[in-house]
Amino acid sequence: QVQLQESGPGLVKPSETLALTCTISGASGAYDYWSWIRQSPQKGMEWIGNIYYSGSTNYNPSLKSRVTMSVDTSKNQFSLKVTSVTAADTGIYYCTKNRYRGFENWGQGTLVTVSS
Amino acid sequence: DVVLTQSPLSLPVTLGQPASVSCRSSQSLVHSDGKTYLHWFQQRPGQSPRRLIYKVSNRDSGVPDRFSGSGSGTNFTLRISRVEAEDVGVYYCMQGTDWTWTFGQGTRVEIK
Repeated sequence: QVQLQESGPGLVKPSETLALTCTISGASGAYDYWSWIRQSPQKGMEWIGNIYYSGSTNYNPSLKSRVTMSVDTSKNQFSLKVTSVTAADTGIYYCTKNRYRGFENWGQGTLVTVSS
Repeated sequence: DVVLTQSPLSLPVTLGQPASVSCRSSQSLVHSDGKTYLHWFQQRPGQSPRRLIYKVSNRDSGVPDRFSGSGSGTNFTLRISRVEAEDVGVYYCMQGTDWTWTFGQGTRVEIK
């Protein structure tokens, strides 16, 4: 059974960098790929990007200039960084494991608030 | 980006009665590999989303058979044959065909 757990600061100041980690258990990792998604009342559900086991990525063009994803297979973790955050980046952030170009397994989500 | 438009946005239903949610895409969701990457998710109150249906009509593991998906091209439907109390929540369609993956705005299912 795949389990995913997001972790990171719940409060980030405007203009600073949001950094989250997703810890994976129960998945082999080989050929897997993973995503970050966020949810807010203003924007609904928004796909942020994907990262593959190999480390290759593809990002939502609307966020591409501010987003970086990375994977650490030795720790069974992958990470998200969003730079220059504003209040519009406030929301619940989910990590997922993907299959069939969709989100098969989800973490419980972590609320990130951007505020001074 | 592909825009997914769901209807209705709110769906009051009677227990034991059927329910149906529509998802229309701004362009065809047939991928160059011939497959259609249109999926359905359920989000119960206070929970993370859960995928119910993948590639239009395939139920994920553990999903009750009262849930079914159908459609093609740009028009898709999620059906619940007999609504139960545990089905309350928000339902989203999502496409993974286009380079930028997108969600519908969600349909809230509630019990009358």
